[in-house]
Amino acid sequence: EPEVTQTPSHQVTQMGQEVILRCVPISNHLYFYWYRQILGQKVEFLVSFYNNEISEKSEIFDDQFSVERPDGSNFTLKIRSTKLEDSAMYFCASRGVRGFGTEAFFGQGTRLTVV
Amino acid sequence: GNSVTQMEGPVTLSEEAFLTINCTYTATGYPSLFWYVQYPGEGLQLLLKATKADDKGSNKGFEATYRKETTSFHLEKGSVQVSDSAVYFCALSATSGTYKYIFGTGTRLKVLA
Repeated sequence: EPEVTQTPSHQVTQMGQEVILRCVPISNHLYFYWYRQILGQKVEFLVSFYNNEISEKSEIFDDQFSVERPDGSNFTLKIRSTKLEDSAMYFCASRGVRGFGTEAFFGQGTRLTVV
Repeated sequence: GNSVTQMEGPVTLSEEAFLTINCTYTATGYPSLFWYVQYPGEGLQLLLKATKADDKGSNKGFEATYRKETTSFHLEKGSVQVSDSAVYFCALSATSGTYKYIFGTGTRLKVLA
């Protein structure tokens, strides 16, 4: 069964450092997303990506964040200068051609710890 | 804007008890509705979904019915097991644009043997 793959599963970084979280969505999917879950809290939308550009972003997704699909398969989230409050589980998701009514498939998540 | 409201947890039940987790939503149009489950230390797994009014989603003994008149999508299971202990998230997907998800706050379920 196809699945969304995220790497690494856990990353520890020092405050101020740049991190790149990687995702391999399901092939032939067209909509890609990043969500964030601070420990014990709700899952929050960060950004959606379609047709090689950002289609929507939340207020959380400020200038410190960027996304890229560099090679047509990987989908990355970069945080330029991490802050303590960026510590969270980050989920990548993708969904297929028919956006409406189809479910998003989530990766297992990357737990980011900023120290 | 779109929003999802879930009942507060944690919910603690004995094995074989009946489970209800309430979920109501606010949305323009007719969103798709989902329940996701997150087991300890794991990611989000789709449990069930419904895409239009009166649809019933079901999986692994869990059920939820899309009720447009009450804007609800309550999760039920007739007889819970210890292995059902997890966090359950209700979510809606917008019907246009980016189809992003809006999640509820999650409800932690603990089932005791």
